[in-house]
Amino acid sequence: AQKITQTQPGMFVQEKEAVTLDCTYDTSDPSYGLFWYKQPSSGEMIFLIYQGSYDQQNATEGRYSLNFQKARKSANLVISASQLGDSAMYFCAMINSGGSNYKLTFGKGTLLTVNP
Amino acid sequence: GAVVSQHPSRVICKSGTSVKIECRSLDFQATTMFWYRQFPKQSLMLMATSNEGSKATYEQGVEKDKFLINHASLTLSTLTVTSAHPEDSSFYICSAGGQSLMAQYFGPGTRLLVL
Repeated sequence: AQKITQTQPGMFVQEKEAVTLDCTYDTSDPSYGLFWYKQPSSGEMIFLIYQGSYDQQNATEGRYSLNFQKARKSANLVISASQLGDSAMYFCAMINSGGSNYKLTFGKGTLLTVNP
Repeated sequence: GAVVSQHPSRVICKSGTSVKIECRSLDFQATTMFWYRQFPKQSLMLMATSNEGSKATYEQGVEKDKFLINHASLTLSTLTVTSAHPEDSSFYICSAGGQSLMAQYFGPGTRLLVL
């Protein structure tokens, strides 16, 4: 069974500092994808970054980078130069084959608060 | 990026009534759409996967007779909560899959409150 674990229910960071949000996963599939989504209080799910299981390099998207350590099965999100608008819920998710459909499995999320 | 809409964004209904939520992919064809439910301060839980022209696949523990899903076209999937009860109050969010498996585009969600 696929599982995503986010051990930090809440995180605090000072504006302009970097923060790392932890994510570990468990799957027996050799092929999978890892995502990070941001969910502000409005509820919409905003795609941030994607890492494929066969990607050799860590994914980066602007201020977001994914620290992918395959042997440890971790996919931590690093947000550099935090901004007040980064305060939101962050979900790590994994996609892999679920029979004939491909499903996203989500972690429980981490609530990030950026302090001025 | 691709746009997915949901309607209504918010609905309040009486216990025992049925509520229909629409999920539309506005600028691409979605062969697969996913329906999630999210209770307050919790993660998204996949309820069902709908493929255009075929029956939806429900996750374990989700009552298919209570949560009716219809995926009649490549741009529209509907979720009908039948005989809604207060415990069905939740945030329902859909996502639509394009040609790339890594591309799932989420709708803005529907907040359902059953009184």
